[in-house]
Amino acid sequence: DTGVSQDPRHKITKRGQNVTFRCDPISEHNRLYWYRQTLGQGPEFLTYFQNEAQLEKSRLLSDRFSAERPKGSFSTLEIQRTEQGDSAMYLCASSPQGEGVQETQYFGPGTRLLVL
Amino acid sequence: AQTVTQSQPEMSVQEAETVTLSCTYDTSESDYYLFWYKQPPSRQMILVIRQEAYKQQNATENRFSVNFQKAAKSFSLKISDSQLGDAAMYFCAYQGGSEKLVFGKGTKLTVNP
Repeated sequence: DTGVSQDPRHKITKRGQNVTFRCDPISEHNRLYWYRQTLGQGPEFLTYFQNEAQLEKSRLLSDRFSAERPKGSFSTLEIQRTEQGDSAMYLCASSPQGEGVQETQYFGPGTRLLVL
Repeated sequence: AQTVTQSQPEMSVQEAETVTLSCTYDTSESDYYLFWYKQPPSRQMILVIRQEAYKQQNATENRFSVNFQKAAKSFSLKISDSQLGDAAMYFCAYQGGSEKLVFGKGTKLTVNP
C-alpha cells in the first residue's frame, strides 16, 4: 500500500492555459474523489468515480473542468482556459467500496496550482 | 444541504495538556458518518478518527476521542497529552447519503512546548 499519489505537486501557469493533473489511487480502491481547497478553507467536493464511471459532479465543476478515469485506475483532472480563481490545492482521495458502510477516504498530497 | 461549522479558527495548547476542538453540523439525514482529519503544514490530510451516527458510543483512538451529541448535532474532538506533532489544521467532515465529504473551515492547532 503506497498511498495516493498525485502529479505534479506544484504547477504554475498563465491565465488561459490548459493544465492536467494526475491521481493514482491506492491499488484496489475502486472509488476515487477530487476536491479543491482554497486558502483558509476546507476542501470542497468536485467529483467522484466508481471504477471508470463518473457518478457525481459538483456545481463547482464548470464546463472548463473535466475529469476522467478511463480504465478505472488512475484519474486525470483537466482545467481548460485557466482563470486566476482556479488557483487552489487540488486533492485526490480514494476508498474501497464498502459493504453497507461508508469507507474512509484516503487523501493524496495534492497538486498546488497557481494561475498568474 | 449539509453544512459543517468549526467555530474556532485557531486554538493553542501546552504540550502534555488536553484540548478540545468544536464542530457542529446541520443535516436532515438520520444515517451519516463524521470524521476528523488532520492536515500538517505542507503535508497530506490524514484521518484522525471517525464516528458512525448509529453508534451511541463515542469513538476513541489512542489520545484522540470524540464527544458525539447527535441531538445537538455536535461532534467535538479531544486531544489528550498533546504532543508537538499534533500541531496542524484539523478539519471536521460529514458524510451522509452522498459519497462526498463536506468539510468545515478548519481549526489551526498550535502546540506550545
